[in-house]
Amino acid sequence: GNSVTQMEGPVTLSEEAFLTINCTYTATGYPSLFWYVQYPGEGLQLLLKATKADDKGSNKGFEATYRKETTSFHLEKGSVQVSDSAVYFCALDNYGQNFVFGPGTRLSVLP
Amino acid sequence: EAGVVQSPRYKIIEKKQPVAFWCNPISGHNTLYWYLQNLGQGPELLIRYENEEAVDDSQLPKDRFSAERLKGVDSTLKIQPAELGDSAVYLCARRGRALPYEQYFGPGTRLTVT
Repeated sequence: GNSVTQMEGPVTLSEEAFLTINCTYTATGYPSLFWYVQYPGEGLQLLLKATKADDKGSNKGFEATYRKETTSFHLEKGSVQVSDSAVYFCALDNYGQNFVFGPGTRLSVLP
Repeated sequence: EAGVVQSPRYKIIEKKQPVAFWCNPISGHNTLYWYLQNLGQGPELLIRYENEEAVDDSQLPKDRFSAERLKGVDSTLKIQPAELGDSAVYLCARRGRALPYEQYFGPGTRLTVT
């Protein structure tokens, strides 16, 4: 079946540090890939997405590239801010039939 | 796109009591999801609707959970009777209109069973 694996948290960084959160997936066919962010007390918000191999999703300074050969979709940001502190979820979808989330990675950014 | 509306935001009940959660996506969005999110974990699908039909309820504990989506618009998720282990956040989501079918979430209802 389809599944998503993420690096375990929590991840603690200083402001302006470089961020990488690893995500790998197992799926049949060519799933779409997503990163969602959840701020304290809120629902999940779509952060970025990619639909095919080598696509790069980007938003708010975050980027992730769909790597078919390594079945990965790692999230990166060059300079994190305190306001980026949240839980980040990697997810995949197979043509609307099977949306699967990873366990989430908590990020804490210290001033 | 406008957001998904859920109510209540918070609910505290005693075990064995019933509880209901309500969700309203934008009219015209045929696909609606209910998820359960335990603390420190990702969302887990409970049920997926296509219009009024529940097309995937394989993860819904049917002995105590029920859901309905009359007229294919808003939806209600019910637990009766609630157990201590049901304490969690219940999320509702709708699907985007075209590929890649991202999902848009409501703020969730945080349930505490005492």
